[in-house]
Amino acid sequence: GQNIDQPTEMTATEGAIVQINCTYQTSGFNGLFWYQQHAGEAPTFLSYNVLDGLEEKGRFSSFLSRSKGYSYLLLKELQMKDSASYLCAVRDDGGATNKLIFGTGTLLAVQP
Amino acid sequence: GAGVSQSPSNKVTEKGKDVELRCDPISGHTALYWYRQSLGQGLEFLIYFQGNSAPDKSGLPSDRFSAERTGGSVSTLTIQRTQQEDSAVYLCASSFPGGGETQYFGPGTRLLVL
Repeated sequence: GQNIDQPTEMTATEGAIVQINCTYQTSGFNGLFWYQQHAGEAPTFLSYNVLDGLEEKGRFSSFLSRSKGYSYLLLKELQMKDSASYLCAVRDDGGATNKLIFGTGTLLAVQP
Repeated sequence: GAGVSQSPSNKVTEKGKDVELRCDPISGHTALYWYRQSLGQGLEFLIYFQGNSAPDKSGLPSDRFSAERTGGSVSTLTIQRTQQEDSAVYLCASSFPGGGETQYFGPGTRLLVL
């Protein structure tokens, strides 16, 4: 089956660092994506990992371990505007599709 | 346009009515996807288009749901005889082959079936 797990909610303080974990068990794997979604808005692309290791992009970093079926999103120097849902998604490697399989998302609340 | 656009942004309908949701992908994007996001649920894949063909329709929940794409661009998702459980946000995404095939999402259509 397809299963992607991430915490439902997290709270962090402005200026701090937060790590959002994602574990996955999928029949295929062709990359892992992180999206940010503010309430009532479209998901926006944050990061993509297909090889093991850390990808850094400004205040955001994403890590992947394929052998462990594990990824995390690291947000540094948190700002109030970072309050949003963070969606972990695995791309299926089925030949006919590149569909994304999503977790339920982690709702992050950044407090002053 | 600069991004994926969807219309209408909101739709309220009565149970049993048919609805059509429209998606305009980013120009040049050959792949188009429909997803559904129900309250408290993750995004759920519905259908994938490559050009005008739909090689993966595995996510359509019932035969009341159908979709088409014309001219390799605009796509329409049709829900016939709507049910209350169809209430959700319907999101469209598009991507261009290469570059990791990142999918870019539209703002969604919020469908409420009364």
